[in-house]
Amino acid sequence: KNQVEQSPQSLIILEGKNCTLQCNYTVSPFSNLRWYKQDTGRGPVSLTIMTFSENTKSNGRYTATLDADTKQSSLHITASQLSDSASYICVVSQRMTTDSWGKLQFGAGTQVVVTP
Amino acid sequence: SQTIHQWPATLVQPVGSPLSLECTVEGTSNPNLYWYRQAAGRGLQLLFYSIGIDQISSEVPQNLSASRPQDRQFILSSKKLLLSDSGFYLCAWSFSGPGRPNTEAFFGQGTRLTVV
Repeated sequence: KNQVEQSPQSLIILEGKNCTLQCNYTVSPFSNLRWYKQDTGRGPVSLTIMTFSENTKSNGRYTATLDADTKQSSLHITASQLSDSASYICVVSQRMTTDSWGKLQFGAGTQVVVTP
Repeated sequence: SQTIHQWPATLVQPVGSPLSLECTVEGTSNPNLYWYRQAAGRGLQLLFYSIGIDQISSEVPQNLSASRPQDRQFILSSKKLLLSDSGFYLCAWSFSGPGRPNTEAFFGQGTRLTVV
């Protein structure tokens, strides 16, 4: 069973509108959570990183939130642009311990299409 | 600085032919290494991960195999390709070891494999 679940699987939004993507995880022990943006045919690129103690972090028009108690994160895109069309992937990192080597767990991604 | 190289960028192979995709990392030692596959319109699926030479774990049963002959070299292979092996293959690495920031996966540019 995938330890990182993302929703929705895909969404279409009009240029200029806002949208929110969700990520729920069961990864334990938790270290941090990253959101990646993957353009078609390219490797994913990191947008934000959040550790256990952080609740929100922004990167331009992207704002990520984290609730470590409920194990949920969201990525909010403000005033979407055509260049925001991409797959957004939630990645949760295990904390390295004697029993855990810190493997990265990837969500399946949310495909965002921004239309004019 | 660290870099990751993955090749070839595109590949068209007939059913039943062998496969060898190579990935190398420069500028770091003992990285965690990953092979992912992304089918058309789908999310990233972890195929193999490695925490050291000859230490490779398989995530899903398939006709693919992985090898790590050197610390920074990761190879994805198949003896006989199936049509279902078509997809976008990504190699990635992350830092490992105590005190190192195992917080981000760095991706190669990917290989588009089409099995015909």
